Amino acid sequence: AQKVTQAQTEISVVEKEDVTLDCVYETRDTTYYLFWYKQPPSGELVFLIRRNSFDEQNEISGRYSWNFQKSTSSFNFTITASQVVDSAVYFCALSEATSGTYKYIFGTGTRLKVLA
Amino acid sequence: GAGVSQSPSNKVTEKGKDVELRCDPISGHTALYWYRQSLGQGLEFLIYFQGNSAPDKSGLPSDRFSAERTGGSVSTLTIQRTQQEDSAVYLCASSLNSAGTQYFGPGTRLLVL
Repeated sequence: AQKVTQAQTEISVVEKEDVTLDCVYETRDTTYYLFWYKQPPSGELVFLIRRNSFDEQNEISGRYSWNFQKSTSSFNFTITASQVVDSAVYFCALSEATSGTYKYIFGTGTRLKVLA
Repeated sequence: GAGVSQSPSNKVTEKGKDVELRCDPISGHTALYWYRQSLGQGLEFLIYFQGNSAPDKSGLPSDRFSAERTGGSVSTLTIQRTQQEDSAVYLCASSLNSAGTQYFGPGTRLLVL
């Protein structure tokens, strides 16, 4: 069955530290998509990145980077030189082509607290 | 351009009353989703609309929940005879097509007393 696991419930770091948020997924599909969203205190889910199952190339966007490894079914997210504004809940999500709807299956989220 | 909008932003109701939640998707987006975010259940899928196709209602938790999408645009989620366990944030998302990235609205926070 499809599933997304974010084992880290809450992480606290001091500003400028690097932090990695883990995401492990389960799916039987060969075509699927993985996402990361940020949910700041305001509550709105903000899209960060999308990867498809055929593209394992890692990606870097400013201080953010993502490591997609199909061999371990993981899609981890690293924030370099964290800032207080990075404090939020981060969700990893899976979308499967065979669902027809491409509905998201979310992990339980990781709350990141960046302390000044 | 404008993002997904939802109204009301907050709704307090009494147990047993009906409520309607509204979602305006991004213009041109054909796919629309409703999700619910609650402390106990996390983020869970409720219903999906794509163009003129029959909606996927597989995530609706009970027959007290229904939704419609008029003219392929605005959607309304209705909860009849609300219960305290319906208290949650209801999120709407839209995507350009069913395989596209979903963009979320700010949500409606529902509190059932």
